[in-house]
Amino acid sequence: AQRVTQPEKLLSVFKGAPVELKCNYSYSGSPELFWYVQYSRQRLQLLLRHISRESIKGFTADLNKGETSFHLKKPFAQEEDSAMYYCALSAPGNEKLTFGTGTRLTIIP
Amino acid sequence: NAGVTQTPKFQVLKTGQSMTLQCAQDMNHEYMSWYRQDPGMGLRLIHYSVGAGITDQGEVPNGYNVSRSTTEDFPLRLLSAAPSQTSVYFCASSSHTDTQYFGPGTRLTVL
Repeated sequence: AQRVTQPEKLLSVFKGAPVELKCNYSYSGSPELFWYVQYSRQRLQLLLRHISRESIKGFTADLNKGETSFHLKKPFAQEEDSAMYYCALSAPGNEKLTFGTGTRLTIIP
Repeated sequence: NAGVTQTPKFQVLKTGQSMTLQCAQDMNHEYMSWYRQDPGMGLRLIHYSVGAGITDQGEVPNGYNVSRSTTEDFPLRLLSAAPSQTSVYFCASSSHTDTQYFGPGTRLTVL
């Protein structure tokens, strides 16, 4: 069975400090991995996906197949980064998403 | 282009009542899905559809029905609401090669 684990429910970081949101997954094979973000009073939206290897809003995520992790990182946190972050996976070519339980990130001014 | 729309935004039901949550998209997406979001549980897939006339169960389908008579619409029906169905419900849609787009959500309270 596929599973996504986000060990931190809450994470507080000072503005300008580095941010790392952890995501570990369980899947037989090579899944597609995503980070979704939900800002206050807004709908859930895609932040980035591993196959695109992009940096969005200063965030990057590296897939580590050996550790089955897909941690989200940003070198310098900004106040507007405060939001709920969800890691998710799907089977290749399949739209069904399995989400983690989410991490609420708060940036302290 | 409105994207994914959901109605109503808020709803309060009594135990045993039935209702339909509406979801529509104007992007001609084949895939549509319903999730529920609960504190500490993340988003869990209720039902999904890969095209008109085709639906299937997700992780937590009990107590919910869906149908997909058109590409645009994917309503979610609660046949007999229970307090355990108090949640925020999100509809999403996507094409095969694109990301999923989410609706604004419906906050449902069952008393």
